[in-house]
Amino acid sequence: SQTIHQWPATLVQPVGSPLSLECTVEGTSNPNLYWYRQAAGRGLQLLFYSVGIGQISSEVPQNLSASRPQDRQFILSSKKLLLSDSGFYLCAWSTPGGRAGSFYGYTFGSGTRLTVV
Amino acid sequence: AQTVTQSQPEMSVQEAETVTLSCTYDTSESDYYLFWYKQPPSRQMILVIRQEAYKQQNATENRFSVNFQKAAKSFSLKISDSQLGDAAMYFCAYRTPIYNQGGKLIFGQGTELSVKP
Repeated sequence: SQTIHQWPATLVQPVGSPLSLECTVEGTSNPNLYWYRQAAGRGLQLLFYSVGIGQISSEVPQNLSASRPQDRQFILSSKKLLLSDSGFYLCAWSTPGGRAGSFYGYTFGSGTRLTVV
Repeated sequence: AQTVTQSQPEMSVQEAETVTLSCTYDTSESDYYLFWYKQPPSRQMILVIRQEAYKQQNATENRFSVNFQKAAKSFSLKISDSQLGDAAMYFCAYRTPIYNQGGKLIFGQGTELSVKP
């Protein structure tokens, strides 16, 4: 069965420090991968998505970057964190599902709560 | 650009009663998916129900059903026989076609549902 791992669960980082959040998927190949951010009490904002190794699409210009060094690994990074980077970060994967009916849904990781101080 | 709107920030329902959460979306595509996700205090994203736009029949999952009005671009969620465990934030989401923006999920701002005993 497919599983998604996201770590760490909680992170407190000082302003200006680097960031690396990792997400890995097991039990599937060539997944679509996504990074979302959720501010307290708000909806989820898509940050990045990837349809293949080395293919990254950015949704929101910001202080963050993403990489996909392996098929089932998705990394969210920052060189220097800002206070506004605080939030709840969720990784998700889906099957590509190009044809109607061949798409089965999304699976989300358990999230990382990032507090920048 | 596609948008998803949930006009009810908060809703309340008596235990064992029925409640309907509203969602509208905007798209020029004809083939897409719609979802309702539940997010309890743990912040884990849990799939409640999904609807494929090319299917006219409304999706149903046990006590959860949707009213999908494609022409009106409306996708409401009905929860019957509400239970205390249904209390959570509910998100409506639209999936872009895989050939357009990589099959990403676009979320509404959420509806906080409380269930009164």
